[in-house]
Amino acid sequence: AIQMTQSPSSLSASVGDRVTITCRTSQGIGNDLGWYQQKPGKAPKLLIYAASSLQSGVPSRFSGSGSGTDFTLTISSLQPEDFATYYCLQDYNFPRTFGQGTKVEIK
Amino acid sequence: EVQLVESGGGLVQPGGSRRISCATSGFVFSSYQMNWVRQAPGKGLEWVSFISTTGSTEHHADSVKGRFTISRDNTKNSLYLQMNSLRAEDTAVYYCVREAAQDAFDIWGQGTMVTVSS
Repeated sequence: AIQMTQSPSSLSASVGDRVTITCRTSQGIGNDLGWYQQKPGKAPKLLIYAASSLQSGVPSRFSGSGSGTDFTLTISSLQPEDFATYYCLQDYNFPRTFGQGTKVEIK
Repeated sequence: EVQLVESGGGLVQPGGSRRISCATSGFVFSSYQMNWVRQAPGKGLEWVSFISTTGSTEHHADSVKGRFTISRDNTKNSLYLQMNSLRAEDTAVYYCVREAAQDAFDIWGQGTMVTVSS
């Protein structure tokens, strides 16, 4: 199975900050990676698919980049509603595997 | 409106069985591959199972292989997960998830809680 290493596991940031979360895979996956946001008690929500494509309705402050084994989710200017946990997911092969999650907290 | 609504969760004894369901609406169910994803209390997301549009292809996580079966009824627009030989570590919220183009998990249900305990 492809191993996912997501970092950091948590971070504290202020409204307006630029935030970067990374995901590294144990083997190359092309651009077969998505990013998901989950708020407490809620189902996850798709933000980015195919490494860099913004899901319809998702604010443009969210962006994704990378290919091969190294991927990044960037929030250009953190908003109050962005405090949540973020996960990467590889959909290159089975079994699908998620990163461990990054909890974004208010500083 | 696209909707996925899970049901069937509850308390199950270790070694027992449970079938959970996902009723879908608002889209052509038979055109989409589907998945189950679970989340143990306070933990991260774990992919569980996949099924192709016709049901001819399944994949399962190693942690559930041989115990869980995924199925679908395209005439009822419904997805199922049959869980046998349940263990305490299967305790989780189970999400029904639609897989869109480029394999993105674009629509998630609200989840159903399965608790395995004596």
